Amino acid sequence: AQKVTQAQTEISVVEKEDVTLDCVYETRDTTYYLFWYKQPPSGELVFLIRRNSFDEQNEISGRYSWNFQKSTSSFNFTITASQVVDSAVYFCALSDGTDKLIFGTGTRLQVFP
Amino acid sequence: GAVVSQHPSRVICKSGTSVKIECRSLDFQATTMFWYRQFPKQSLMLMATSNEGSKATYEQGVEKDKFLINHASLTLSTLTVTSAHPEDSSFYICSARRASGGARIYEQYFGPGTRLTVT
Repeated sequence: AQKVTQAQTEISVVEKEDVTLDCVYETRDTTYYLFWYKQPPSGELVFLIRRNSFDEQNEISGRYSWNFQKSTSSFNFTITASQVVDSAVYFCALSDGTDKLIFGTGTRLQVFP
Repeated sequence: GAVVSQHPSRVICKSGTSVKIECRSLDFQATTMFWYRQFPKQSLMLMATSNEGSKATYEQGVEKDKFLINHASLTLSTLTVTSAHPEDSSFYICSARRASGGARIYEQYFGPGTRLTVT
């Protein structure tokens, strides 16, 4: 069975701090996709990244970076120099390629000025 | 591109009434749409997969007679919560997958959500 675990329920940081959101997944599939979404207070899901299981290269996009490690089944997300606008709930999700997304329970990030 | 809208954004209804939520893909055709439910401070749970021109596929534990889904066109899917009760109060989010024709399987676009409150 597929499962996504985000052990951190809530994280609070002060602006400019770096923060890492953890994501651990379980799947028996050899081909799968991992995602991160941001859900601000407005509720709309904002797509951040997708990664397929054959691409373990880490990715950096501005202040965001992602560390994919198949050996530990983790796909962690780091925000450097956090800002108040980063405050949101962040979801990690897994798909076996059949369109179904299995979401983690989310991590609520609060960035204080 | 790839904008998905939902209407209404918020709805309050009385217990026992039915509520219809629309999900539209505004600038692309979607053969498949998905309906999720999110309780406060919880994750998104897939309720059903809606395919244009055919019956929806419901996830285990979701009552198909209570949550009626219709995908009448390539740009519109509707979710009707029948005989709503307070426990149906939730945040309902739809997503749409681009029609085939070079589309990659993981291109799924989310709507802004509809907050349903049943009193």
